[in-house]
Amino acid sequence: GDSVTQMEGPVTLSEEAFLTINCTYTATGYPSLFWYVQYPGEGLQLLLKATKADDKGSNKGFEATYRKETTSFHLEKGSVQVSDSAVYFCALSVGNTDKLIFGTGTRLQVFP
Amino acid sequence: EADIYQTPRYLVIGTGKKITLECSQTMGHDKMYWYQQDPGMELHLIHYSYGVNSTEKGDLSSESTVSRIRTEHFPLTLESARPSHTSQYLCASSELGRSSYNEQFFGPGTRLTVL
Repeated sequence: GDSVTQMEGPVTLSEEAFLTINCTYTATGYPSLFWYVQYPGEGLQLLLKATKADDKGSNKGFEATYRKETTSFHLEKGSVQVSDSAVYFCALSVGNTDKLIFGTGTRLQVFP
Repeated sequence: EADIYQTPRYLVIGTGKKITLECSQTMGHDKMYWYQQDPGMELHLIHYSYGVNSTEKGDLSSESTVSRIRTEHFPLTLESARPSHTSQYLCASSELGRSSYNEQFFGPGTRLTVL
């Protein structure tokens, strides 16, 4: 079945460091891919998305490129801030359904 | 900013109690969802609805039930809570559209603890 695998956390970085959170997927058909972020005590917010191969989603300095050949959608940011500390979820949806399949989440901790 | 609300935010109850988790949205969205989030953070879809009087079970089997009598309201009920139901419950909603994906907006969640 369809699934998402993302790197385990926590990821601990100093402010202004480069961030990569790996995400790979398995899907029948052609999925849309997403990164959601969950700040402490809050629900999930859509961070970025890509709906077809080679698309790049970007928002708030974060980027991720839909790589069909490697079935990956890695999240990157060139310079993280303390305020980026949160849990990041990679997710996919397939076909015309809005049902999301989530990865296990990766906690990011950024220290000043 | 998303206008989707969940109450209560935190609930601690004893085994065997009946509980209802409330979820309301003011965006006029037709689709609504309930997710269960494990202590280890993984989310699983347990219920969804495409509109009034529509309810479907999600990918993860759950002993909870839902109803959709009004567009804006999608409550989740546990008839007899057990410690295994301890989890965070997240409600979400999205528009009903023809695109392959419409963004889901999430509420802040209800953290349930059953003793």
